[in-house]
Amino acid sequence: AQTVTQSQPEMSVQEAETVTLSCTYDTSESDYYLFWYKQPPSRQMILVIRQEAYKQQNATENRFSVNFQKAAKSFSLKISDSQLGDAAMYFCAYRRYNTDKLIFGTGTRLQVFP
Amino acid sequence: SQTIHQWPATLVQPVGSPLSLECTVEGTSNPNLYWYRQAAGRGLQLLFYSVGIGQISSEVPQNLSASRPQDRQFILSSKKLLLSDSGFYLCACAGTVPNEKLFFGSGTQLSVL
Repeated sequence: AQTVTQSQPEMSVQEAETVTLSCTYDTSESDYYLFWYKQPPSRQMILVIRQEAYKQQNATENRFSVNFQKAAKSFSLKISDSQLGDAAMYFCAYRRYNTDKLIFGTGTRLQVFP
Repeated sequence: SQTIHQWPATLVQPVGSPLSLECTVEGTSNPNLYWYRQAAGRGLQLLFYSVGIGQISSEVPQNLSASRPQDRQFILSSKKLLLSDSGFYLCACAGTVPNEKLFFGSGTQLSVL
Protein backbone atom coordinates (compact mmCIF):
# COMPACT_ATOMS: atom_id res chain seq x y z
CA ALA A 1 0.00 0.00 0.00
CA GLN A 2 1.08 3.52 -0.64
CA THR A 3 2.22 5.63 2.31
CA VAL A 4 3.24 9.26 2.71
CA THR A 5 5.62 10.38 5.46
CA GLN A 6 6.23 13.88 6.71
CA SER A 7 8.96 13.68 9.33
CA GLN A 8 8.79 17.30 10.48
CA PRO A 9 5.78 17.89 12.77
CA GLU A 10 6.70 21.57 13.10
CA MET A 11 8.90 24.05 11.28
CA SER A 12 9.51 27.74 11.70
CA VAL A 13 10.90 30.43 9.45
CA GLN A 14 11.51 34.14 9.63
CA GLU A 15 9.57 36.40 7.34
CA ALA A 16 11.28 36.85 3.92
CA GLU A 17 13.45 33.76 4.47
CA THR A 18 13.25 30.39 2.74
CA VAL A 19 12.03 27.15 4.27
CA THR A 20 11.87 23.58 2.96
CA LEU A 21 9.29 21.03 4.08
CA SER A 22 10.11 17.36 3.59
CA CYS A 23 7.96 14.55 2.29
CA THR A 24 8.75 10.98 1.33
CA TYR A 25 6.42 8.37 -0.05
CA ASP A 26 6.35 4.71 -0.81
CA THR A 27 4.78 3.23 -3.93
CA SER A 28 5.39 0.53 -6.48
CA GLU A 29 3.55 2.51 -9.17
CA SER A 30 5.38 4.40 -11.91
CA ASP A 31 2.58 6.83 -12.77
CA TYR A 32 1.19 8.99 -10.01
CA TYR A 33 0.68 12.54 -8.81
CA LEU A 34 2.00 14.37 -5.79
CA PHE A 35 0.46 17.39 -4.09
CA TRP A 36 1.10 19.90 -1.38
CA TYR A 37 -2.01 21.23 0.35
CA LYS A 38 -2.11 24.14 2.77
CA GLN A 39 -4.55 24.22 5.68
CA PRO A 40 -4.66 27.68 7.31
CA PRO A 41 -6.41 28.30 10.65
CA SER A 42 -9.73 28.45 8.76
CA ARG A 43 -9.07 24.72 8.08
CA GLN A 44 -9.98 25.11 4.42
CA MET A 45 -7.80 22.84 2.28
CA ILE A 46 -5.98 24.83 -0.40
CA LEU A 47 -3.95 23.25 -3.18
CA VAL A 48 -0.48 24.76 -3.26
CA ILE A 49 1.27 22.80 -5.96
CA ARG A 50 0.98 19.62 -8.01
CA GLN A 51 3.58 17.39 -9.65
CA GLU A 52 3.11 14.65 -12.23
CA ALA A 53 5.53 11.80 -11.68
CA TYR A 54 6.28 11.44 -15.39
CA LYS A 55 7.55 15.02 -15.56
CA GLN A 56 11.19 15.47 -14.66
CA GLN A 57 10.86 19.22 -14.35
CA ASN A 58 10.04 20.42 -10.86
CA ALA A 59 6.74 22.26 -10.52
CA THR A 60 6.72 25.89 -9.44
CA GLU A 61 3.94 28.25 -8.43
CA ASN A 62 5.19 31.75 -7.67
CA ARG A 63 7.08 31.52 -4.35
CA PHE A 64 6.41 27.78 -4.03
CA SER A 65 8.52 25.15 -5.72
CA VAL A 66 9.18 21.46 -5.26
CA ASN A 67 12.22 19.25 -5.40
CA PHE A 68 10.93 15.99 -6.85
CA GLN A 69 13.36 13.08 -6.65
CA LYS A 70 11.53 10.11 -8.15
CA ALA A 71 14.22 7.51 -7.51
CA ALA A 72 14.50 8.58 -3.89
CA LYS A 73 10.70 8.94 -3.60
CA SER A 74 11.13 12.37 -2.14
CA PHE A 75 8.94 15.43 -2.72
CA SER A 76 9.96 18.50 -0.72
CA LEU A 77 8.29 21.91 -0.80
CA LYS A 78 10.34 25.09 -0.81
CA ILE A 79 8.72 28.35 0.18
CA SER A 80 10.75 31.40 -0.77
CA ASP A 81 10.34 34.90 0.65
CA SER A 82 8.09 33.54 3.40
CA GLN A 83 5.13 35.66 4.38
CA LEU A 84 3.06 35.74 7.57
CA GLY A 85 0.14 34.36 5.57
CA ASP A 86 2.12 31.22 4.82
CA ALA A 87 1.68 30.09 8.42
CA ALA A 88 -0.44 26.95 8.23
CA MET A 89 -0.43 23.16 8.28
CA TYR A 90 1.05 21.73 5.11
CA PHE A 91 0.08 18.29 3.89
CA CYS A 92 1.87 16.22 1.32
CA ALA A 93 -0.41 13.89 -0.63
CA TYR A 94 -0.08 11.07 -3.16
CA ARG A 95 -2.50 9.92 -5.80
CA ARG A 96 -2.19 7.00 -8.16
CA TYR A 97 -2.70 7.69 -11.83
CA ASN A 98 -6.32 7.46 -13.01
CA THR A 99 -7.75 7.56 -9.53
CA ASP A 100 -8.60 10.63 -7.50
CA LYS A 101 -8.20 9.07 -4.06
CA LEU A 102 -5.63 11.07 -2.10
CA ILE A 103 -3.35 9.60 0.55
CA PHE A 104 -2.07 12.24 2.95
CA GLY A 105 0.91 12.57 5.22
CA THR A 106 0.52 13.64 8.84
CA GLY A 107 1.30 17.26 8.09
CA THR A 108 3.89 19.88 9.05
CA ARG A 109 2.87 22.95 11.02
CA LEU A 110 4.73 25.99 9.69
CA GLN A 111 5.16 29.07 11.84
CA VAL A 112 6.33 32.33 10.30
CA PHE A 113 7.94 34.90 12.57
CA PRO A 114 8.11 38.62 11.75
CA SER B 1 -15.94 24.85 -10.72
CA GLN B 2 -17.40 22.72 -7.98
CA THR B 3 -18.74 24.07 -4.70
CA ILE B 4 -19.05 21.79 -1.69
CA HIS B 5 -21.46 22.55 1.13
CA GLN B 6 -20.92 20.90 4.47
CA TRP B 7 -22.93 21.33 7.62
CA PRO B 8 -22.92 21.84 10.46
CA ALA B 9 -19.60 23.64 10.95
CA THR B 10 -19.33 22.51 14.57
CA LEU B 11 -21.13 19.84 16.52
CA VAL B 12 -20.98 18.69 20.11
CA GLN B 13 -22.60 15.35 20.78
CA PRO B 14 -22.76 13.03 23.81
CA VAL B 15 -21.32 9.54 23.65
CA GLY B 16 -23.92 7.08 22.39
CA SER B 17 -25.91 9.62 20.41
CA PRO B 18 -26.50 9.33 16.63
CA LEU B 19 -24.72 11.38 14.01
CA SER B 20 -25.58 12.67 10.57
CA LEU B 21 -23.24 14.94 8.63
CA GLU B 22 -24.31 16.10 5.21
CA CYS B 23 -22.32 17.12 2.19
CA THR B 24 -23.79 18.44 -1.05
CA VAL B 25 -22.00 19.37 -4.24
CA GLU B 26 -22.83 21.97 -6.88
CA GLY B 27 -21.35 22.55 -10.30
CA THR B 28 -20.82 18.98 -11.40
CA SER B 29 -22.64 15.73 -11.98
CA ASN B 30 -21.75 12.16 -11.06
CA PRO B 31 -18.71 13.21 -9.03
CA ASN B 32 -16.52 10.90 -6.99
CA LEU B 33 -17.05 11.90 -3.36
CA TYR B 34 -14.92 11.35 -0.27
CA TRP B 35 -15.14 11.61 3.51
CA TYR B 36 -11.88 12.31 5.33
CA ARG B 37 -11.26 12.63 9.06
CA GLN B 38 -8.53 14.69 10.66
CA ALA B 39 -7.91 13.69 14.27
CA ALA B 40 -6.04 16.10 16.53
CA GLY B 41 -2.36 16.20 15.59
CA ARG B 42 -2.78 13.74 12.76
CA GLY B 43 -3.14 13.82 9.02
CA LEU B 44 -6.23 13.27 6.94
CA GLN B 45 -7.48 9.73 6.92
CA LEU B 46 -9.76 8.56 4.14
CA LEU B 47 -12.92 7.02 5.61
CA PHE B 48 -15.27 6.44 2.66
CA TYR B 49 -15.51 7.11 -1.02
CA SER B 50 -18.32 6.84 -3.51
CA VAL B 51 -18.28 6.66 -7.30
CA GLY B 52 -22.07 6.83 -7.69
CA ILE B 53 -25.48 6.68 -6.09
CA GLY B 54 -25.65 3.85 -3.57
CA GLN B 55 -22.01 2.91 -4.14
CA ILE B 56 -19.90 3.21 -1.00
CA SER B 57 -16.42 1.90 -0.29
CA SER B 58 -15.04 1.88 3.22
CA GLU B 59 -11.34 2.38 3.75
CA VAL B 60 -11.11 1.58 7.45
CA PRO B 61 -13.30 -0.44 9.81
CA GLN B 62 -15.06 1.88 12.18
CA ASN B 63 -18.16 2.99 13.97
CA LEU B 64 -19.26 5.17 11.06
CA SER B 65 -21.16 4.56 7.86
CA ALA B 66 -21.78 6.55 4.70
CA SER B 67 -24.59 6.79 2.20
CA ARG B 68 -25.16 8.47 -1.12
CA PRO B 69 -28.89 8.79 -1.67
CA GLN B 70 -28.57 11.30 -4.52
CA ASP B 71 -25.92 12.06 -7.12
CA ARG B 72 -24.61 15.13 -5.33
CA GLN B 73 -25.35 14.22 -1.72
CA PHE B 74 -23.02 12.30 0.58
CA ILE B 75 -23.94 11.56 4.19
CA LEU B 76 -21.77 10.37 7.08
CA SER B 77 -23.64 8.65 9.90
CA SER B 78 -23.31 6.81 13.15
CA LYS B 79 -25.91 5.07 15.29
CA LYS B 80 -23.90 5.51 18.49
CA LEU B 81 -20.98 7.89 18.73
CA LEU B 82 -17.76 6.98 20.54
CA LEU B 83 -15.26 9.35 22.11
CA SER B 84 -12.79 8.29 19.42
CA ASP B 85 -15.11 9.64 16.71
CA SER B 86 -14.13 13.19 17.67
CA GLY B 87 -12.30 15.01 14.92
CA PHE B 88 -12.54 17.28 11.94
CA TYR B 89 -14.52 15.78 9.07
CA LEU B 90 -13.96 16.91 5.52
CA CYS B 91 -16.02 16.11 2.46
CA ALA B 92 -14.19 16.19 -0.87
CA CYS B 93 -15.16 15.99 -4.50
CA ALA B 94 -13.09 15.07 -7.52
CA GLY B 95 -12.82 17.66 -10.24
CA THR B 96 -14.34 17.35 -13.68
CA VAL B 97 -10.91 17.44 -15.29
CA PRO B 98 -9.35 13.97 -15.09
CA ASN B 99 -6.40 13.71 -12.74
CA GLU B 100 -6.99 17.17 -11.36
CA LYS B 101 -7.16 18.15 -7.75
CA LEU B 102 -9.74 17.32 -5.11
CA PHE B 103 -12.09 20.08 -3.97
CA PHE B 104 -12.74 20.19 -0.24
CA GLY B 105 -15.65 21.43 1.85
CA SER B 106 -15.16 23.69 4.85
CA GLY B 107 -15.39 20.80 7.29
CA THR B 108 -17.26 19.86 10.46
CA GLN B 109 -15.57 19.87 13.85
CA LEU B 110 -17.17 17.07 15.86
CA SER B 111 -16.61 16.83 19.59
CA VAL B 112 -17.95 13.75 21.33
CA LEU B 113 -18.20 14.22 25.09
